[in-house]
This record gives sequence, structure tokens and C-alpha cells, in this order.
Amino acid sequence: AQKVTQAQTEISVVEKEDVTLDCVYETRDTTYYLFWYKQPPSGELVFLIRRNSFDEQNEISGRYSWNFQKSTSSFNFTITASQVVDSAVYFCALRGGATNKLIFGTGTLLAVQP
Amino acid sequence: DTGVSQDPRHKITKRGQNVTFRCDPISEHNRLYWYRQTLGQGPEFLTYFQNEAQLEKSRLLSDRFSAERPKGSFSTLEIQRTEQGDSAMYLCASSQGTGGNTEAFFGQGTRLTVV
Repeated sequence: AQKVTQAQTEISVVEKEDVTLDCVYETRDTTYYLFWYKQPPSGELVFLIRRNSFDEQNEISGRYSWNFQKSTSSFNFTITASQVVDSAVYFCALRGGATNKLIFGTGTLLAVQP
Repeated sequence: DTGVSQDPRHKITKRGQNVTFRCDPISEHNRLYWYRQTLGQGPEFLTYFQNEAQLEKSRLLSDRFSAERPKGSFSTLEIQRTEQGDSAMYLCASSQGTGGNTEAFFGQGTRLTVV
């Protein structure tokens, strides 16, 4: 079975703080894909990043960085110097190699206070 | 705007009525997905099309639900005899390609309220 766990239900930080959102996944597939999406109050899911199971390189994009560790089945997301506009629900998702459906975690609500 | 478009954005219906939602994917995207999201949860997969073929359906998709993508472009999701438990956000997404190494882009969703 495939599963994504986001243990942090809500996180509140003050602007300019760094924050890490945790994601742990379960799959028996040897090939799989991991994703992060952002869902602001408007409701639309915004794609942030995709990682393939065979590529464990960490990635940095501006204030965003992702740490993929197969040894711990984790794909954590860090926002550096958070801003109020980062306030949203963030979802981690998994897609197995043999399917086209995304398995989402329950999301983490990030509130960035000014 | 070339993003995924969904219509309507909101729908309130009485229990027992039928409803139909429409999704227009990003132009030339051959894959189209429907998901359902309830409050406080992540989206749950309902069904997936590659071009006009419906290739995968979730067990969540009961007999009251039907989806079509007749010409491989827009798609419709119909719910017959709606129940209060159908109240949710229905999300459509699309992607391009035939392999797994692609990302899906989502629309803003249709929020259904069954009263």
C-alpha cells in the first residue's frame, strides 16, 4: 500500500523565521515520484516540485529547499525567511511508478504571522 | 489564461438531485484527473483519462458517479442522486506525457454543497 504522512497539522511562525514541513512516505515501488503542492485560501493547488525516486539530490529554488532521503523515506520541505504570503496548506504527494494517481498527505497548515 | 478551468466554481443542490461539473484542461494535455477533497483532508483520487479513454477509477467512485471525456479535451463529472456525503471540493487536473515523470496542474475546483 502507498501512504503519505504529514504529522504536522498546523505550524505557526513569525515572518522571517525558517520553517520545515515534514513528509514521510510508504511505497513498495522501486520507481516512484514525490511532489509538493501549495494550496492557498483561494483553493487552487499550486505545483511546487517533483522528485524522482532515483534522484536524491536536494534542490533549492529561491527561499524553498527540499531534502529527499530514501533511507528514512522522507521528503521534507524548508522555507527560509518565511513571508506572510507563504501562509497556505502544503501537501506532500506520492505517485507510484505503475499508477497515475497521486496519494496525498493530510496537509500542513502554515500560518506566517507578520 | 491557459490553466485548468472548472465550472461552476460553486454548486448548491438539494439531496437527490443530479449535478454535472465541467473541466477544461490545459490545451494539449492528454491526461486528465478528477479528485475530491473534503475539509481538512488531502485530495483523493477519483478517476483518470488518457485522451478519451478512462484508464483508472477509484473505488470511491460509486455507481452514482460517472465521468466522461468524449473528445479527449474537456471532461464532465456527473453525480446522480446526490447525498449529503457528496459535499466536497471536486478538483480537476491535467498533465502532458505518457510516463510517470510529469506533474499535474490543478484547477480551482468546484465546491459542491448538498443540502
